[in-house]
Amino acid sequence: SQQGEEDPQALSIQEGENATMNCSYKTSINNLQWYRQNSGRGLVHLILIRSNEREKHSGRLRVTLDTSKKSSSLLITASRAADTASYFCATQTSGSRLTFGEGTQLTVNP
Amino acid sequence: KAGVTQTPRYLIKTRGQQVTLSCSPISGHRSVSWYQQTPGQGLQFLFEYFSETQRNKGNFPGRFSGRQFSNSRSEMNVSTLELGDSALYLCASSLGGRTNTEAFFGQGTRLTVV
Repeated sequence: SQQGEEDPQALSIQEGENATMNCSYKTSINNLQWYRQNSGRGLVHLILIRSNEREKHSGRLRVTLDTSKKSSSLLITASRAADTASYFCATQTSGSRLTFGEGTQLTVNP
Repeated sequence: KAGVTQTPRYLIKTRGQQVTLSCSPISGHRSVSWYQQTPGQGLQFLFEYFSETQRNKGNFPGRFSGRQFSNSRSEMNVSTLELGDSALYLCASSLGGRTNTEAFFGQGTRLTVV
């Protein structure tokens, strides 16, 4: 079963705009991770944020985590057509097991 | 450093057959996890192996099994295939720590059961 929900399910923007995706989860976690998946291929790890962290940056990516609300957001700034993909959040509570959200399909139009 | 390698990339099998998928993790990684991805159920955890032992198991029937070898390579087996087993099977490699472990995925094996 899925740990949480992602919002929106689909997002379409123009190149250069920012894209924000949200993720909610249900249980206490050790960390939350974001992944990207291009059309039926493998998952690419984007960023990991620990439960004691509130914000993390990596290049054009900014992730926030609010453990009191059990939610996270992924912001992609200055989006490019190559950012078109599905984005998944995944929580880790123990061991290496990841519990994934349903994903957000991002389309960046040139 | 080589990434996670899954073989084969594509498979077509008939109902009732069995199939074996292979995953070679990143060198030095001792944990291998398997996930099933379908349009209806999304990404579902199958099981995790660490140092040749199954450390965690998802909610799948016993037809799904796996193992890990001393070199950390892993295989998963699905017996008595059903149409609903058609999916993308993803393998994830990690160092295997109990917390805060990044997972790196292979390209997946696309299984079609006809």
